[in-house]
Amino acid sequence: GAVVSQHPSRVICKSGTSVKIECRSLDFQATTMFWYRQFPKQSLMLMATSNEGSKATYEQGVEKDKFLINHASLTLSTLTVTSAHPEDSSFYICSASRGGRESYGYTFGSGTRLTVV
Amino acid sequence: GIQVEQSPPDLILQEGANSTLRCNFSDSVNNLQWFHQNPWGQLINLFYIPSGTKQNGRLSATTVATERYSLLYISSSQTTDSGVYFCAVVRGSTLGRLYFGRGTQLTVWP
Repeated sequence: GAVVSQHPSRVICKSGTSVKIECRSLDFQATTMFWYRQFPKQSLMLMATSNEGSKATYEQGVEKDKFLINHASLTLSTLTVTSAHPEDSSFYICSASRGGRESYGYTFGSGTRLTVV
Repeated sequence: GIQVEQSPPDLILQEGANSTLRCNFSDSVNNLQWFHQNPWGQLINLFYIPSGTKQNGRLSATTVATERYSLLYISSSQTTDSGVYFCAVVRGSTLGRLYFGRGTQLTVWP
């Protein structure tokens, strides 16, 4: 149990376009989802926390107008990188917590490698 | 925020060797997890272990919450164990944000 599906796994886009990344909890309801960014050979950097039905909470330094997060249901959160630029190229990972089932901790999606050309 | 330090940063082993990875954290925590990130980027949850000892096959983990550290043991390492091992903690709410260490890059040679 506790599977998180993330799509697409890899995307290449042109500068100035927008890219949407989906994160779905397949077999549980995720009250909270987290979005991370990871640069090569570095740790995960938390970008934002989203709770179903409310606005996302962004970490300091993360542009909320560039990285739009929507958590419309208990099983789906999306991250849209708007007007992408080459410096937005990175590995993006989502994670979900099960809410109330502490022993499960957190489950991560398989990640999306974004390349902006 | 809470500081999470992992050691060693890099570890190279021959297949069959044992290893111990360490995670120190700067404050009391409600949740601690060990993850393995494979070469394709997937993070696999190894242990949820805010305290005590757990074992799963060749892997085991111990967290001594009062002394603010956790250890991950890998026995009889295999090439498929290669990757980055992350320790991550939560303070406050048990399902709040995770604070990650910088990871240990493990390379196992045949």
